Amino acid sequence: GESVGLHLPTLSVQEGDNSIINCAYSNSASDYFIWYKQESGKGPQFIIDIRSNMDKRQGQRVTVLLNKTVKHLSLQIAATQPGDSAVYFCAENTGDDYKLSFGAGTTVTVRA
Amino acid sequence: EPEVTQTPSHQVTQMGQEVILRCVPISNHLYFYWYRQILGQKVEFLVSFYNNEISEKSEIFDDQFSVERPDGSNFTLKIRSTKLEDSAMYFCASRREGQPQHFGDGTRLSIL
Repeated sequence: GESVGLHLPTLSVQEGDNSIINCAYSNSASDYFIWYKQESGKGPQFIIDIRSNMDKRQGQRVTVLLNKTVKHLSLQIAATQPGDSAVYFCAENTGDDYKLSFGAGTTVTVRA
Repeated sequence: EPEVTQTPSHQVTQMGQEVILRCVPISNHLYFYWYRQILGQKVEFLVSFYNNEISEKSEIFDDQFSVERPDGSNFTLKIRSTKLEDSAMYFCASRREGQPQHFGDGTRLSIL
């Protein structure tokens, strides 16, 4: 089965509200996680990453939370904007070579 | 900001023909990857490349696939005899040591 997956395939959020996108992973050996954003016709765009020795990391308007106990990863987007509409993927690295295993993706739609 | 560039953006090829997808990674990156994404599905790892050799490959990357770094700037993926099921978006990615992967915008490969 998949080593990385997302709880919900779609998320609709009002502009200005906060968004939370969830991801579950099954490989307890994973030590590095990344969130990517993919807009239509584009490649995955790096948002934020976190290593397994951390449980929280903040960027500009984004926060990633890692709960290793339940193997859960989330991405929080503050004050969601129309430009945040995209598909969001979590990805994990389990090896030395940093090959990534991607989840299925959550489509985020921002309502004006 | 430096980007990974891929050409062509769309490639249409007859089944059984050879195809070469081209990538120019970010100039100071040392690790290179190819992924593919079948329409509506998640991004899948194909192969990683470091120090002029393949470091890891997936089950998808069979004998029909090969990669090459012919010079200091290009990184290519060759499919020798394309099949209908090779139709997908192909993404190239690169990274520096200890840094996340950065993706190009992909090549859409359509096999007729």
